[in-house]
Amino acid sequence: GDSVTQMEGPVTLSEEAFLTINCTYTATGYPSLFWYVQYPGEGLQLLLKATKADDKGSNKGFEATYRKETTSFHLEKGSVQVSDSAVYFCALSPSGSARQLTFGSGTQLTVLP
Amino acid sequence: DAGVIQSPRHEVTEMGQEVTLRCKPISGHDYLFWYRQTMMRGLELLIYFNNNVPIDDSGMPEDRFSAKMPNASFSTLKIQPSEPRDSAVYFCASSFAAGGGGQFFGPGTRLTVL
Repeated sequence: GDSVTQMEGPVTLSEEAFLTINCTYTATGYPSLFWYVQYPGEGLQLLLKATKADDKGSNKGFEATYRKETTSFHLEKGSVQVSDSAVYFCALSPSGSARQLTFGSGTQLTVLP
Repeated sequence: DAGVIQSPRHEVTEMGQEVTLRCKPISGHDYLFWYRQTMMRGLELLIYFNNNVPIDDSGMPEDRFSAKMPNASFSTLKIQPSEPRDSAVYFCASSFAAGGGGQFFGPGTRLTVL
């Protein structure tokens, strides 16, 4: 079945550092890929998405590129802020449908001032 | 749009009591999902509906859990009787088929069973 593997956390960075959170997936066909963010005490928020190979999703300075050849969707940000401290989840859905998402286990990011 | 609305935001109850969690999805969305999140097990899909019909309830932990969606704007998740191991944050999410994927989550209900 489908699966998503994220780098294990926690990740601790200083403000303005470069961020990469790795995500790889296993799925048949051409799934859609997502990054969600969960701030303390809140629900998950859709951060960005990509629906086909080589697409780049971007939002709030974060970006991720759908790499079919490496089955990856790594999240990057050039300069993190304290306010980016949260848990980040990588997820996929089969062929862009609205059906159930398969989530990774989440990566806790802490950014220190 | 107000987003996905869940109530209550916090619920504290005693073991054996019935608990009902409520969800109002985003208007126009035709899929609704219930999730449970704990530190030990992470995010688990419990059940999801399409056009008010339950499609997959294989994640519902046991018969004490039930979910209904009587119309397109309302869903409930009921636990009867509740047990301490049901303590978790329960999320409702909605999406629409033509939206290219991606679900929109509510703020969650934090349930504590004493």
